[in-house]
Amino acid sequence: NAGVMQNPRHLVRRRGQEARLRCSPMKGHSHVYWYRQLPEEGLKFMVYLQKENIIDESGMPKERFSAEFPKEGPSILRIQQVVRGDSAAYFCASSPFLGGSTGELFFGEGSRLTVL
Amino acid sequence: SQQGEEDPQALSIQEGENATMNCSYKTSINNLQWYRQNSGRGLVHLILIRSNEREKHSGRLRVTLDTSKKSSSLLITASRAADTASYFCATLANAGGTSYGKLTFGQGTILTVHP
Repeated sequence: NAGVMQNPRHLVRRRGQEARLRCSPMKGHSHVYWYRQLPEEGLKFMVYLQKENIIDESGMPKERFSAEFPKEGPSILRIQQVVRGDSAAYFCASSPFLGGSTGELFFGEGSRLTVL
Repeated sequence: SQQGEEDPQALSIQEGENATMNCSYKTSINNLQWYRQNSGRGLVHLILIRSNEREKHSGRLRVTLDTSKKSSSLLITASRAADTASYFCATLANAGGTSYGKLTFGQGTILTVHP
């Protein structure tokens, strides 16, 4: 039973380019969360999605960032016109049903974005 | 201080010793969880303690929760070199009966266990 799969694991972009990060949740999980970890810091919640729905995007920057979880395929976190401050590790997590009722999450290995 | 603040920021011990990490938080919580992160890797869930629990054990891990002080501690007994990692506490807020995985993480404690 594969865990949460994220790709790419490492991504390098120049300022102004777009970054697309993909996440396939664990089998049987229909709830996806994206978190961002800046260097030397803890994780910060960005967005919570279910299939075809954004449930909570309160942690997402208002501009340049978007997320989706289509009916088919992985969840995508998209960052347009990247800036150096977007350099971070982006983690996806999934749970089997509404927050797993306890909030326990299963994390992927992360996608590390470096903006030059 | 931010929600889920941990101390110490870094802890260095010898193999076989116990390691204690503390976490403080600000708001009312549904539960508190501890995660481990090896360098450059994802987070692994270690243990969860609910707001109505005071202590929980799992193998060499012991977690306590004091809701009156809004604090928790993680004790790792008989540490091993393989325990070297960053440890994060994360809280799940009370959300009026609707809980989901919107966790608030602390800054983490970097634990180094020397062989």
